[in-house]
Amino acid sequence: AQSVSQHNHHVILSEAASLELGCNYSYGGTVNLFWYVQYPGQHLQLLLKYFSGDPLVKGIKGFEAEFIKSKFSFNLRKPSVQWSDTAEYFCAVNAGDMRFGAGTRLTVKP
Amino acid sequence: EAQVTQNPRYLITVTGKKLTVTCSQNMNHEYMSWYRQDPGLGLRQIYYSMNVEVTDKGDVPEGYKVSRKEKRNFPLILESPSPNQTSLYFCASSRISFGTGAGELFFGEGSRLTVL
Repeated sequence: AQSVSQHNHHVILSEAASLELGCNYSYGGTVNLFWYVQYPGQHLQLLLKYFSGDPLVKGIKGFEAEFIKSKFSFNLRKPSVQWSDTAEYFCAVNAGDMRFGAGTRLTVKP
Repeated sequence: EAQVTQNPRYLITVTGKKLTVTCSQNMNHEYMSWYRQDPGLGLRQIYYSMNVEVTDKGDVPEGYKVSRKEKRNFPLILESPSPNQTSLYFCASSRISFGTGAGELFFGEGSRLTVL
């Protein structure tokens, strides 16, 4: 069965620091890849997605992610985080059925 | 407005008392799914459905039932709730694209369930 691994459970950064959250998946076939964000007390919202084409995808709020097929990875990046980026971030992989990683909690200190 | 609606949003119940959490979407999505969210464990899939009358187990189906009699509704049934089912539950739906499966998920607001 496919699985999704997010290596960082809790990341603490200061404002303006750069962010990279890791995501690896285990599935050898064609996959669609997603990053979702959950702000405190809210439901999950889509940040960005990759279906095909350019492996560097840009999402909302300055986030981007790079699909590296050879590494089975889809890491999320942001050059300069803001306090309002404090949230939990989930990587998800779909190969017919959607599976989520355990999530990474991001705390941005003002 | 396109949305996924769950009810109830909050519920406190006792062990063994059957309950149903409803989920309805107005986007004509084929795919619907239930997840539970627990601290440190992320979202774990309970059941999913690719279309009407088609349901499959996810990672943690024990203690739960679902049905998909209509495209828009996908209720989650706890026949005999136990304290380990205390959790935050999310329903989600998406279109299905040929060859790629479920696409972007749209989530409900969540249902926080406490079983005493």
